[in-house]
Amino acid sequence: EIVLTQSPGTLSLSPGERATLSCRASQSVRNNNIAWHQQKPGQAPRFLMSGASSRATGIPDRFSGSGSGTDFTLTISRLEPEDFAVYYCHQYGSIPYTFGQGTKLEI
Amino acid sequence: QVQLQQSGPGLVKPSQTLSLTCAISGDRVSSNSAAWSWIRQSPSRGLEWLGRTFYRSEWYNDYAVSVKSRITINPDTSKNQLSLQLNSVTPEDTAVYYCARGWGFDSWGQGTLVTVSS
Repeated sequence: EIVLTQSPGTLSLSPGERATLSCRASQSVRNNNIAWHQQKPGQAPRFLMSGASSRATGIPDRFSGSGSGTDFTLTISRLEPEDFAVYYCHQYGSIPYTFGQGTKLEI
Repeated sequence: QVQLQQSGPGLVKPSQTLSLTCAISGDRVSSNSAAWSWIRQSPSRGLEWLGRTFYRSEWYNDYAVSVKSRITINPDTSKNQLSLQLNSVTPEDTAVYYCARGWGFDSWGQGTLVTVSS
């Protein structure tokens, strides 16, 4: 099973700043099949992007993804108040699908 | 726009069976280009993928090793929904359960908190 490790565990930033979230896999992820999800308290996760860098419909372009192999990054270029949440990476390159433990982005 | 609407009991007794349903609108459970998963989330385990079903001329299932002996995911094409059954539950199965579409999970159900308690 592929283990995903996200860092940092908590990221404290202010609106307008840039956020960089990391997701490292224990082995290479086939076809860079990494997705990112955002979750706010009491809500279901919200899909942001797949294929490491392909944003979902309606996701602002301040969200971008990059990486390949075992190292992936989610970048939020200029934080808006609504971006403060928990972010999860998830690999779907091999069964079983797995998730990282999450990065909490706090003000 | 795909929408997933979950239903099912929020309280299950130990040793009994957890049963949830996910009604699909905007897509078909039997689509040749989709897959449908169940995922759960708890403070102790985080987000945990439980299994999936998909149709490619016939039905296929994959299950997580941790629940493989206890889980069944079934599609219902007449109602365009999928179901989850988890047998012999214990308090460790207490979690919020989600259904989701695809490999990247581009649509999620609203979540169902299931508590296992007598």
